[in-house]
Amino acid sequence: GQQVMQIPQYQHVQEGEDFTTYCNSSTTLSNIQWYKQRPGGHPVFLIQLVKSGEVKKQKRLTFQFGEAKKNSSLHITATQTTDVGTYFCAVSGYSTLTFGKGTMLLVSP
Amino acid sequence: KAGVTQTPRYLIKTRGQQVTLSCSPISGHRSVSWYQQTPGQGLQFLFEYFSETQRNKGNFPGRFSGRQFSNSRSEMNVSTLELGDSALYLCASSPGQGARMNTEAFFGQGTRLTVV
Repeated sequence: GQQVMQIPQYQHVQEGEDFTTYCNSSTTLSNIQWYKQRPGGHPVFLIQLVKSGEVKKQKRLTFQFGEAKKNSSLHITATQTTDVGTYFCAVSGYSTLTFGKGTMLLVSP
Repeated sequence: KAGVTQTPRYLIKTRGQQVTLSCSPISGHRSVSWYQQTPGQGLQFLFEYFSETQRNKGNFPGRFSGRQFSNSRSEMNVSTLELGDSALYLCASSPGQGARMNTEAFFGQGTRLTVV
C-alpha cells in the first residue's frame, strides 16, 4: 500500500516561532489529509488537499500540496501553546487511510 | 449530532484473554474503520466495514477480527492477547459512500487497552 514519510518526528519551539512539518510520498497521491491529535486526545481532521499546487489557509495554519502531488506541508506561523500536539498527514486508499508517523510539536511559553 | 462513541475507554486484560471493543459511529455514517495506535508504530489500519461488509483489512494477525451490525455499530475482537497488543484502539466513522476514503474521518476517543 501507499506509504508516506513525515518529518521531523519531533520539534520543540518557543512560543511565537514558526513550525513546519512535511509529508513525502514516492507515488502520486490522489489527495492528502491532515489531522491534529492533542496529548491524550484523538485525531481531529484539519483539512484535505486534492489539487496539484493547492494552498489552503486556516488562520495561522497554511497547508500546501506539491505540484507533483507527491508531497505536502503544514506550516504554523507564530506558534501558540494551544498548537501543542501531534500532526499527522494521511493518504486515502481503498477503504483505508494510511497515516504518516506524525510530527510531535512542543511549544514552550 | 453525537460524535463517535467508543466503549470502554480503558481496559486492563491479562495475556491470553480476549477482549471486545465497541464503536458507535455518527448517525448516518455507514463506514467504520479501526486503527491501532502505539508510540513506536503510529496509527496502523486494522480494518474497515461498510454496510456490514469488511471492505479492507490491514496487516494484522487473525487474532484481530471485527464486525459491523445493521445499525452501523461495530465491534472489534482480539483473542489470545499478547503484551504487544497494548495500545490505543481508535475507531473512525465516515459517510463512506465511495470506497476511496476521500472524506473526513471522525475519530472516537479511543479505548486504551493494557495487557499485563
